[in-house]
Amino acid sequence: AQSVAQPEDQVNVAEGNPLTVKCTYSVSGNPYLFWYVQYPNRGLQFLLKYITGDNLVKGSYGFEAEFNKSQTSFHLKKPSALVSDSALYFCAVRAIYNNNDMRFGAGTRLTVKP
Amino acid sequence: DAGITQSPRHKVTETGTPVTLRCHQTENHRYMYWYRQDPGHGLRLIHYSYGVKDTDKGEVSDGYSVSRSKTEDFLLTLESATSSQTSVYFCAIRATSGDYNEQFFGPGTRLTVL
Repeated sequence: AQSVAQPEDQVNVAEGNPLTVKCTYSVSGNPYLFWYVQYPNRGLQFLLKYITGDNLVKGSYGFEAEFNKSQTSFHLKKPSALVSDSALYFCAVRAIYNNNDMRFGAGTRLTVKP
Repeated sequence: DAGITQSPRHKVTETGTPVTLRCHQTENHRYMYWYRQDPGHGLRLIHYSYGVKDTDKGEVSDGYSVSRSKTEDFLLTLESATSSQTSVYFCAIRATSGDYNEQFFGPGTRLTVL
C-alpha cells in the first residue's frame, strides 16, 4: 500500500523567510499527491495537488509544491512566511488505480515567529 | 467546510456503550469517507462509501461499522466503544466528476471514551 513520510514533526521559521515542509512518498505506479493544512479545532483545508504535468504546482495562500519523481518527494514551499501560516500541515498520497485509498503523513507543525 | 456538517461535535461516553456519529452533506456527492486523527498517525481511513448502501473498509475498520441510506448522510457506529477509539473523527467528501479530485473535510467530532 502507499505511504507518506513527513520527516519533521516541527518546523520553525521567522516571518518573511522562505519555508519548506518536507514530504516523501511510496506508491506503486504514478501518484496523486496532496497538501492540506489544519488550523486549531478545524477540519483539513485543501492547499494544492499534483496530478500530472508541470512539476511545480501552485496552490492557495501563496504556497507551492515541487514534485520530484526520482526522489519520490513533494515538498511544500512558500517564498515568504507569514505568522498566520502557523498550523499543522499534512501531505497525502493516492495511487491512480485506487481513488478511495488516500494515505496521510503524520503531519508537520509549522510555527512562524514574528 | 464544503457543505459538510458533523454531529455531535463533542462526545464523552463510557467503555462498552454504542456510539453513532453523523456526517451530513448538502451537495449530493457520491463519495464519502470517515477518518480518525491521532497524534503521530495523521489521518487514517476507517470506511468509505461510493453510493447509497455501497460501502467498503479502509485501513482501520475493526470495531467500526457504517451505513448510508441516503446520499446526504453517512453514519459511523462504534458498536461497543473502547478507550482506543478515543480520537477526533473527520468526515470527507470527494466530488463525483473526475477521478483525481481532492477530498473536502468536515469540522470533526472529538470523541472521548472513558
